[in-house]
Amino acid sequence: GAVVSQHPSRVICKSGTSVKIECRSLDFQATTMFWYRQFPKQSLMLMATSNEGSKATYEQGVEKDKFLINHASLTLSTLTVTSAHPEDSSFYICSASLLTGGLTNEKLFFGSGTQLSVL
Amino acid sequence: KNQVEQSPQSLIILEGKNCTLQCNYTVSPFSNLRWYKQDTGRGPVSLTIMTFSENTKSNGRYTATLDADTKQSSLHITASQLSDSASYICVVSAFIGGRRALTFGSGTRLQVQP
Repeated sequence: GAVVSQHPSRVICKSGTSVKIECRSLDFQATTMFWYRQFPKQSLMLMATSNEGSKATYEQGVEKDKFLINHASLTLSTLTVTSAHPEDSSFYICSASLLTGGLTNEKLFFGSGTQLSVL
Repeated sequence: KNQVEQSPQSLIILEGKNCTLQCNYTVSPFSNLRWYKQDTGRGPVSLTIMTFSENTKSNGRYTATLDADTKQSSLHITASQLSDSASYICVVSAFIGGRRALTFGSGTRLQVQP
């Protein structure tokens, strides 16, 4: 199956620094990627939809200046958590969309996630 | 409001036993329903994806059913193994205003004990 690589898998940073997370589709081109946040024992919360070559679409309540998303190529999207604070500590996951015959049959492949801890 | 409710919230079963997880949704207009398995600290892995016209779909020991009339889905796991211990997430897709919208259930945490 298709592979989505997410890096780093774990990052610890000091409060006030910025952290970049990369999401790559290794064997297919993804015009659309998604970024999620997940707190312990809770389900995924969609943060934003990343479209190649255009601005990301953010979900209500997600600060676009706080969570910068760049989708510069068909295989790479990045999420930068700017001026990170302890409350930003969470598990961040990306997914890439693979279309095979229309949106009804869209497949989503997820990265392995990034555990961010802000001290 | 589009919602996806999963039950039970958590489940403990003995290795070798079968179990069934439930997913009820109010998402409209419905496009497809997906079941994912998520190991702790990992990203979700797709098990099945079902469109409106599909009633059942199997993937090895996993069998998903869909009743679009009652807006219910189930995931049946046969002959459970220790490696089945994970969270199982039901995700329903809709297209609203030309935009794809995914609604995630809160998941069922399954623990398979020896």
